[in-house]
Amino acid sequence: DQQVKQNSPSLSVQEGRISILNCDYTNSMFDYFLWYKKYPAEGPTFLISISSIKDKNEDGRFTVFLNKSAKHLSLHIVPSQPGDSAVYFCAASAINDYKLSFGAGTTVTVRA
Amino acid sequence: NAGVTQTPKFQVLKTGQSMTLQCAQDMNHEYMSWYRQDPGMGLRLIHYSVGAGITDQGEVPNGYNVSRSTTEDFPLRLLSAAPSQTSVYFCASRRGLNTEAFFGQGTRLTVV
Repeated sequence: DQQVKQNSPSLSVQEGRISILNCDYTNSMFDYFLWYKKYPAEGPTFLISISSIKDKNEDGRFTVFLNKSAKHLSLHIVPSQPGDSAVYFCAASAINDYKLSFGAGTTVTVRA
Repeated sequence: NAGVTQTPKFQVLKTGQSMTLQCAQDMNHEYMSWYRQDPGMGLRLIHYSVGAGITDQGEVPNGYNVSRSTTEDFPLRLLSAAPSQTSVYFCASRRGLNTEAFFGQGTRLTVV
């Protein structure tokens, strides 16, 4: 049973606008959350993370929001650029656990 | 600094053949893991290791073996390849808890 869910397989956004990617999780023991970006024929690369003691973390154009009560996190990309076109994976790990659980991914397409 | 290196990048096997996917990291990370990526299913954990001499099963371990004789290397063995093992395989390493995982470039395996 998938513990990390990304319910939107794809997202299309105009260049310069905001991209919002959503992720839900079911395991209440998850305390560390990450977003990865993946281009075709490459390995996933780390984007941004957030610990459960925070509700927001920013890094340049990328902001991750965590709503623990709703077991929901989101990634905001502002402004979206053509190079942001990729597959984005949400991942989570539990307290004192090295294993990462991944969502199915959301394919983002940024239109010129 | 090479990070995580996987070989080969591509491989075609016949059903029943065996092979080893190589993974090496030069970051002195204790935690290493193998994932497979299939369409619509994200990244699923096959096996992982929290240090030399210690390995454990992930969510999809059947048909695969691993060993960890050194901190640097974590090979994945397919014992008798099946078409269901056609996938893209990623190796990853982590420095510790609540840190990001670094991924290799992946191995695209086709079993015919």
